[in-house]
Amino acid sequence: DTEVTQTPKHLVMGMTNKKSLKCEQHMGHRAMYWYKQKAKKPPELMFVYSYEKLSINESVPSRFSPECPNSSLLNLHLHALQPEDSALYLCASSHDYSLGRFSGNTIYFGEGSWLTVV
Amino acid sequence: DAKTTQPPSMDCAEGRAANLPCNHSTISGNEYVYWYRQIHSQGPQYIIHGLKNNETNEMASLIITEDRKSSTLILPHATLRDTAVYYCIVRTDYKLSFGAGTTVTVRA
Repeated sequence: DTEVTQTPKHLVMGMTNKKSLKCEQHMGHRAMYWYKQKAKKPPELMFVYSYEKLSINESVPSRFSPECPNSSLLNLHLHALQPEDSALYLCASSHDYSLGRFSGNTIYFGEGSWLTVV
Repeated sequence: DAKTTQPPSMDCAEGRAANLPCNHSTISGNEYVYWYRQIHSQGPQYIIHGLKNNETNEMASLIITEDRKSSTLILPHATLRDTAVYYCIVRTDYKLSFGAGTTVTVRA
């Protein structure tokens, strides 16, 4: 089973709203990721969690706030977003990594959450 | 990150093999080549990866040249459901850096 589950599949929110995207995996993976994909563009990395701790933040604006409550769950809290933040948000997971010796662990993606900011 | 170069698009006849090329001339010795595909409006799907040797699984085969500067993904019997954007990625540590990919259209 290589399933990463994301909810909701579609979300429409106003610029003053607070909402959250959720991600779950039961593969025993200890690394989890958020990617963002704008229309007709490739996915871009946002955050990486390793053992429930934030390891990498790719200079993402603070209106995006990730959270990893346990090893199976990953959330992305959204607040005061702009219309240009409308995109497909992808969650992914893999066995853990250590910098420099990692790249053989496959990363598995969920189907994504389509976010529209109005 | 090592860059990859892929053709922007290619067509393939249903039932025939599809050979997708990728150049990665600046790849380092410990970097893996990964292939993913993304069918419209879905998340990227893992296909295969390799370091030096050729690899095969139930979806595809990956042929890596001896100097590791290029590779080819082979879909042995393309179906209409294989129409997608295919990404060749040289992976550094935690990061998958997606390029523009190759849009593959399988035609009946």
